[in-house]
Amino acid sequence: EPEVTQTPSHQVTQMGQEVILRCVPISNHLYFYWYRQILGQKVEFLVSFYNNEISEKSEIFDDQFSVERPDGSNFTLKIRSTKLEDSAMYFCASSEEWGAGQPQHFGDGTRLSIL
Amino acid sequence: DQQVKQNSPSLSVQEGRISILNCDYTNSMFDYFLWYKKYPAEGPTFLISISSIKDKNEDGRFTVFLNKSAKHLSLHIVPSQPGDSAVYFCAAEGNTGKLIFGQGTTLQVKP
Repeated sequence: EPEVTQTPSHQVTQMGQEVILRCVPISNHLYFYWYRQILGQKVEFLVSFYNNEISEKSEIFDDQFSVERPDGSNFTLKIRSTKLEDSAMYFCASSEEWGAGQPQHFGDGTRLSIL
Repeated sequence: DQQVKQNSPSLSVQEGRISILNCDYTNSMFDYFLWYKKYPAEGPTFLISISSIKDKNEDGRFTVFLNKSAKHLSLHIVPSQPGDSAVYFCAAEGNTGKLIFGQGTTLQVKP
């Protein structure tokens, strides 16, 4: 069964450094998402992306965050200047269609640790 | 953001019995509700969904019930199996496609 793959599985970065989290969505999916889960807290929506544009972003997704689909397969999340509170599990997801209860398929996540 | 709540952090049931996981929501504008299962070190895996215009959806051992007047939904797993032991997340979807998750309930199914 096709799956969403994320790399790296664990990223350790010094505070203030830039980090890029990478995702390869399922190949025929058109809608892409990033979520994060801080330890002990809920999974939170960050951003949705379609047709090379951000469709929606949350309050968390401030100017330090950006997303890009640099080619036909990758979908990346960049944090420009990381803060301690960015430490979390970041999940990429993709879906074939928009809403209507269509399942979003999640990757196994990247654990981001900011020192 | 307390729009979706799972008030039971954990649930323990015996193998073969029914597991009932509960979820409450506050926003009556949600269009769909989805249940996800999550094993440690893995991402959430979709289980089953229900439209806000229905009150029941069934898929094998999994049934989701929706009570709109009470703003409550539940996931029933019958019969429960040890492999069902995982964290279960309820999620609500509005008209923008984003998912709003509950805190999760850890289910332990004992052999």
